[in-house]
Amino acid sequence: GDSVTQMEGPVTLSEEAFLTINCTYTATGYPSLFWYVQYPGEGLQLLLKATKADDKGSNKGFEATYRKETTSFHLEKGSVQVSDSAVYFCALSAGGRRALTFGSGTRLQVQP
Amino acid sequence: GAVVSQHPSRVICKSGTSVKIECRSLDFQATTMFWYRQFPKQSLMLMATSNEGSKATYEQGVEKDKFLINHASLTLSTLTVTSAHPEDSSFYICSAGVSGETQYFGPGTRLLVL
Repeated sequence: GDSVTQMEGPVTLSEEAFLTINCTYTATGYPSLFWYVQYPGEGLQLLLKATKADDKGSNKGFEATYRKETTSFHLEKGSVQVSDSAVYFCALSAGGRRALTFGSGTRLQVQP
Repeated sequence: GAVVSQHPSRVICKSGTSVKIECRSLDFQATTMFWYRQFPKQSLMLMATSNEGSKATYEQGVEKDKFLINHASLTLSTLTVTSAHPEDSSFYICSAGVSGETQYFGPGTRLLVL
């Protein structure tokens, strides 16, 4: 079945540091890939997505590129801020299903 | 963006009682809503797909008589955990979509069964 694997957290960085959160997947066919973010006390929010190979999703300084050859969708940001502290979930939808398959989430803590 | 609410945000109940969780789309209509369950430090796992006006579709291993889903209107889906037991304690999250693949998530409901 479909699955998503994320690096375990927490990831602790200083402000303005470079961020990478790794995400790899297994899926039948050609999935769409997503990054969701959950801020404390709030629901999951879509951060970015990519629907086909080599697409790059970007939003709020975050980027992720759909790499079919490595089945990866790593999240990156060049300079993190304290306000980026949250839990980040990698997810996919495949086979025409709108429901999502999620990774376990990675907690990011950014210190001033 | 679209907003999805859940109520209650937190509930504590005794073993053997039933608990109802509501999921509402506040500013859009959703023919389909999804219910997920999240254990501590684990993924969100899809439990069922809630379809307005018809029976829910349950994922393999999810007991439909245990987790009753009712999607009576285009803005409301409810999940009832019947005869709850401590192993049902978890974080329950719903989502709804307007169109395409983008899903909007509720803030979740934390259930603790004593």
